[in-house]
Amino acid sequence: NAGVTQTPKFQVLKTGQSMTLQCAQDMNHEYMSWYRQDPGMGLRLIHYSVGAGITDQGEVPNGYNVSRSTTEDFPLRLLSAAPSQTSVYFCASSRGGREFHEQYFGPGTRLTVT
Amino acid sequence: KNEVEQSPQNLTAQEGEFITINCSYSVGISALHWLQQHPGGGIVSLFMLSSGKKKHGRLIATINIQEKHSSLHITASHPRDSAVYICAVRSEATNKLIFGTGTLLAVQP
Repeated sequence: NAGVTQTPKFQVLKTGQSMTLQCAQDMNHEYMSWYRQDPGMGLRLIHYSVGAGITDQGEVPNGYNVSRSTTEDFPLRLLSAAPSQTSVYFCASSRGGREFHEQYFGPGTRLTVT
Repeated sequence: KNEVEQSPQNLTAQEGEFITINCSYSVGISALHWLQQHPGGGIVSLFMLSSGKKKHGRLIATINIQEKHSSLHITASHPRDSAVYICAVRSEATNKLIFGTGTLLAVQP
């Protein structure tokens, strides 16, 4: 299994550009999440999904969109990039159900917005 | 005040030393995770626990639900243990993970 994969690893955008960060997992996990990691702060939840076709907002959703058309893929779209979105982005997945399960994280995407 | 506090923020140890990293939280939780992040690298789950103690190799995690406190211990530390260790709790109220800011550990040979 490849686990959780993210592309690209690095990206530089100009203010106002849009782009999509890709995330895929091959573990048939129901739960998928996007986090951002900024210096001096804990990871913060952007959006999450509890299954295909179901998404919801996290702590810092503004400026980002998500969709979950398949179990495997959970892309994160930046609609109009801003310097405040410069960050490292992590996608994570875990099994669903009433029990709480181990989180699997992707390798991260380092995004710089100039 | 952050809902999840880790101490220390930075820790330097000599190879072979016993290391303790602490995590205190202020919310009701259903589970607590310890994660490891190497420089420039991804995040790996070390432990998930809701009570008692777990051990994996040289790593031991404990949790005291009444005191809202968890510790991560590393025995016989090694330079390859150098990483950021992150504590995260799953909130009972929201069912979402709340992350600490991490402890940067450097183990010197």
